[in-house]
Amino acid sequence: ETGVTQTPRHLVMGMTNKKSLKCEQHLGHNAMYWYKQSAKKPLELMFVYNFKEQTENNSVPSRFSPECPNSSHLFLHLHTLQPEDSALYLCASSQEVGLAGDLSYEQYFGPGTRLTVT
Amino acid sequence: QKEVEQNSGPLSVPEGAIASLNCTYSDRVSQSFFWYRQYSGKSPELIMSIYSNGDKEDGRFTAQLNKASQYVSLLIRDSQPSDSATYLCAVNYGSGNTGKLIFGQGTTLQVKP
Repeated sequence: ETGVTQTPRHLVMGMTNKKSLKCEQHLGHNAMYWYKQSAKKPLELMFVYNFKEQTENNSVPSRFSPECPNSSHLFLHLHTLQPEDSALYLCASSQEVGLAGDLSYEQYFGPGTRLTVT
Repeated sequence: QKEVEQNSGPLSVPEGAIASLNCTYSDRVSQSFFWYRQYSGKSPELIMSIYSNGDKEDGRFTAQLNKASQYVSLLIRDSQPSDSATYLCAVNYGSGNTGKLIFGQGTTLQVKP
């Protein structure tokens, strides 16, 4: 868990609040990811960043706004969330994506932020 | 719709037995496959990756890949109670290194002493 850290670990917020989730990786990776894990649903990829550039937005509502200031840090800004957005939000990192012929880009997860929207 | 299918279980095996976990996927061009272990209340932990057809062994774990059948499995030998967890199969979506993993629902494994 120490390779990828996430704060806060738990967050309760009202639907009108604005909050941010933070992720930091210490693995020297250049790609970072946000995932959502809801009860009884598979892990869902939300965003992919490669060298600070967003390469994937998996049809995520605009109330989730990612930010990647550098290859080691990733944020997820939250505003006007809905109760159904309550879930475990996981950050992951890997070597850069998109290298031709390179398949071995294992992703390593942080401990997650358990979000409850009231 | 790209999908990864797993039997949700629970799969119950006695201590010392072989646990066999299976996964099928729909994207024919996928080339990278991963198994994660997730304990209750924890985040997924990578335990195996496999890229070529055949078997790959790492300690008590063996991953098996058959791209023609679009099938990947994980065998756990000499199962221990500490192996009790949910095992997630993840498949790279698209050809090459896209970074886009599609996860299965996960199979819950219970190893009984």
